[in-house]
Order: sequence, then structure tokens, then C-alpha cells
Amino acid sequence: AQSVTQLDSHVSVSEGTPVLLRCNYSSSYSPSLFWYVQHPNKGLQLLLKYTSAATLVKGINGFEAEFKKSETSFHLTKPSAHMSDAAEYFCVVSDRAGFQKLVFGTGTRLLVSP
Amino acid sequence: ETGVTQTPRHLVMGMTNKKSLKCEQHLGHNAMYWYKQSAKKPLELMFVYNFKEQTENNSVPSRFSPECPNSSHLFLHLHTLQPEDSALYLCASSQDSSGGAGNEQFFGPGTRLTVL
Repeated sequence: AQSVTQLDSHVSVSEGTPVLLRCNYSSSYSPSLFWYVQHPNKGLQLLLKYTSAATLVKGINGFEAEFKKSETSFHLTKPSAHMSDAAEYFCVVSDRAGFQKLVFGTGTRLLVSP
Repeated sequence: ETGVTQTPRHLVMGMTNKKSLKCEQHLGHNAMYWYKQSAKKPLELMFVYNFKEQTENNSVPSRFSPECPNSSHLFLHLHTLQPEDSALYLCASSQDSSGGAGNEQFFGPGTRLTVL
């Protein structure tokens, strides 16, 4: 069975400082890993995805994540936070080999202060 | 209209009402999904349709009844719901339901359902 653990329910940063949202996964198979973002009253938008190519994945809006198999982690980072980054972020794992069933983490709410 | 749209965006219903949620995708995809997003809980997959055929029912109570008349439209029919069914219901679509690389799911904005 696959699972995802997002280690922080809330993360607060100041505008212009780095962002780190942590995610650990568990998967019996070679996983695909995703980060989605959800702004208030909006659907989920894909930020980036790992599907066995490069372990450092670059996404939209300056976000990136590194797949570390030895640590079973897929942390999301951004060098400099912007006010518009304030949202809920979800780490997601999927079994790449079979049916595309996404397993979501509980989410991390990112708060950005001026 | 582009992407995945859902109507209504907000719905309040009593426990004896019958209502339906609608989802439409304009992406030419063949798989569609219903998810439930409750406060403090991870998104839960409810149903999957692939090429109009239901391929997954994640032990959803029968008071939720999905319908997929074609690859572009997905409905969720609701009847005799309970207050604990209040949640955000999200629809998504993808090229198909295989786990292949790059088969991204695109989400709609959701319907906020409140059951009184």
C-alpha cells in the first residue's frame, strides 16, 4: 500500500525567504510523485511531478522538489516566497506501473507574511 | 470554456432532497474521477470512469450514484445524504486511467456541499 506523510500542517514564512514543505512517502512499487497546490475556491493545480527521470524536478512558479529514494522523501522548495504562494499544498504518490490511483497527503497550509 | 468545470459551485440540501453535481471536461480526456475533500482529511477517491465505464468504486455508500453518459460529462447523483457528507466534491480528468508517466489529472474547482 502507498502512503504519504506531510510533516507540517502549517508553514509560515516571510515574503522573500525560502520555502520548505516536507513530504515522506511509502510505496511498494516505483512511485510517481506529485505536488499539487490549491488556492482558496480553486481546484488543485499540478506544480510538478517525478516519474523516474531526473531526481531534481522543476515546476511552475519557481518551485522544485528532489526525489531522494534513500530517505523516501520528496520535499518541495522555493528560494524566495511570494505573497501569491499562500495556499494549501498536497504531496501525492501514485503507483506508476498500474492504475492511476492518486494517494494524497493531508496538506500543508503555507502562510506568507509581508 | 476550458479545462474542467463543475456546477453548482455551492449547494445546500436537506437530508431528504435529491440533487445532482455536474462535471464537464473540455480537454478531450477519456478518464474522469470524483473525489471528496473533507476538513482535516486527505482527498478521498470515490469513483473512476475510463472510456465511460466505471472502473473503481472506493466503497462509496449507495446514496452517492455516479453517471458518465460520455467521456466529457460526469454526474454525481445525491439522495438521502447525511450531515457528515458535507464536503468539497472535486472532479478530475486525465487522458486515461493508466499509471503511465505524464498522465496528469486536471481538477475542477469543486462543489461545496452542505447537508442540513
